[in-house]
Amino acid sequence: LAKTTQPISMDSYEGQEVNITCSHNNIATNDYITWYQQFPSQGPRFIIQGYKTKVTNEVASLFIPADRKSSTLSLPRVSLSDTAVYYCLVGDSGYSTLTFGKGTMLLVSP
Amino acid sequence: DGGITQSPKYLFRKEGQNVTLSCEQNLNHDAMYWYRQDPGQGLRLIYYSQIVNDFQKGDIAEGYSVSREKKESFPLTVTSAQKNPTAFYLCASSPRRDRRAYEQYFGPGTRLTVT
Repeated sequence: LAKTTQPISMDSYEGQEVNITCSHNNIATNDYITWYQQFPSQGPRFIIQGYKTKVTNEVASLFIPADRKSSTLSLPRVSLSDTAVYYCLVGDSGYSTLTFGKGTMLLVSP
Repeated sequence: DGGITQSPKYLFRKEGQNVTLSCEQNLNHDAMYWYRQDPGQGLRLIYYSQIVNDFQKGDIAEGYSVSREKKESFPLTVTSAQKNPTAFYLCASSPRRDRRAYEQYFGPGTRLTVT
């Protein structure tokens, strides 16, 4: 699985847009990029997955540049309830397991 | 309501006792997983199963055992051989089809405390 690097923590205020960037320099051709969200004392929740360019759903957007060596998770107009740990994962769908790093702890303040 | 259930939410045991954590899913998913999470850390894979009656060790399988007799159930036993069993245990499942194999659905977790 490709190694990922993301910031340990980020701070934001309610109503702001938050962008969390993940580096994955050795991403392979068949790899997808997946983001999960985890609230304290809960299991992670799948947010979004993409391969290239831009993917958007009701929760977030995922921007992937042409070289795919990084990706940015964008959370529009965050609220206090978006305070959570966000994990970036990269791998082929053929992989049978996931590897979670420490993720990015996002703290949203009033 | 489809989903994954884990029970109990909190579990307390004395050192030297084996304990079994329950995980049930009604999503008709083929694959199931057990993770362990320690404070401030990411998730670490203990065991996983891609099909009934088959399972593989993850990164930290020592001191744990599992069974997969039914598609819906994947119980985890924490044995007395596990040196540091106190942790938050998470069960997950995935459809294992195409790239949705990377989309795992997690249960609410069981917090195990061993004293």
